[in-house]
Amino acid sequence: GAGVSQSPSNKVTEKGKDVELRCDPISGHTALYWYRQSLGQGLEFLIYFQGNSAPDKSGLPSDRFSAERTGGSVSTLTIQRTQQEDSAVYLCASSLGRVSTDTQYFGPGTRLTVL
Amino acid sequence: TQLLEQSPQFLSIQEGENLTVYCNSSSVFSSLQWYRQEPGEGPVLLVTVVTGGEVKKLKRLTFQFGDARKDSSLHITAAQTGDTGLYLCAVATMKTSYDKVIFGPGTSLSVIP
Repeated sequence: GAGVSQSPSNKVTEKGKDVELRCDPISGHTALYWYRQSLGQGLEFLIYFQGNSAPDKSGLPSDRFSAERTGGSVSTLTIQRTQQEDSAVYLCASSLGRVSTDTQYFGPGTRLTVL
Repeated sequence: TQLLEQSPQFLSIQEGENLTVYCNSSSVFSSLQWYRQEPGEGPVLLVTVVTGGEVKKLKRLTFQFGDARKDSSLHITAAQTGDTGLYLCAVATMKTSYDKVIFGPGTSLSVIP
């Protein structure tokens, strides 16, 4: 079956512009996560969705970052007024959401470059 | 201070050699997971360990959860170029309403032919 997909795969933008990153989770997965990964580094948690609600937004770096999820499926991560330090790979993952040890399935990521 | 520490940060070895990487913490966890991330892709779950002292084998990979459930190791026997990637450990930490998964910084492994 289809895995987690993300679009675009690459995004180059100018400082100050807004960007939208999209995640299509595996069908039936109620939990959805966004992470940020700088070059060669581990994953930095951004936000967690259970269904359409976000019980944990604690990882969002600033109020320029926001995310939503509609219909318990697709999620978009929006970064307003992008800065160079926002450059990173943004990864999305989904899981069945029953227990914490449910496997998280990751998408390939969106590589964001802010010039 | 990071919840999880991984060592070494970088490792470069020849094909056929054995290696061990480590994931350590001062906290106790109910379970621990290991992921491998290949360049340009998202992480893929390799194993979940839940019992102190547990050993799991996945072909040439051997995973061990420490007796006190604070640390874990991953041993690779006769490394192959296909083992190249970033190895991440992850644990679930109890939050108010759910168990939040935290990832370590990773060990970047390069296996040279």
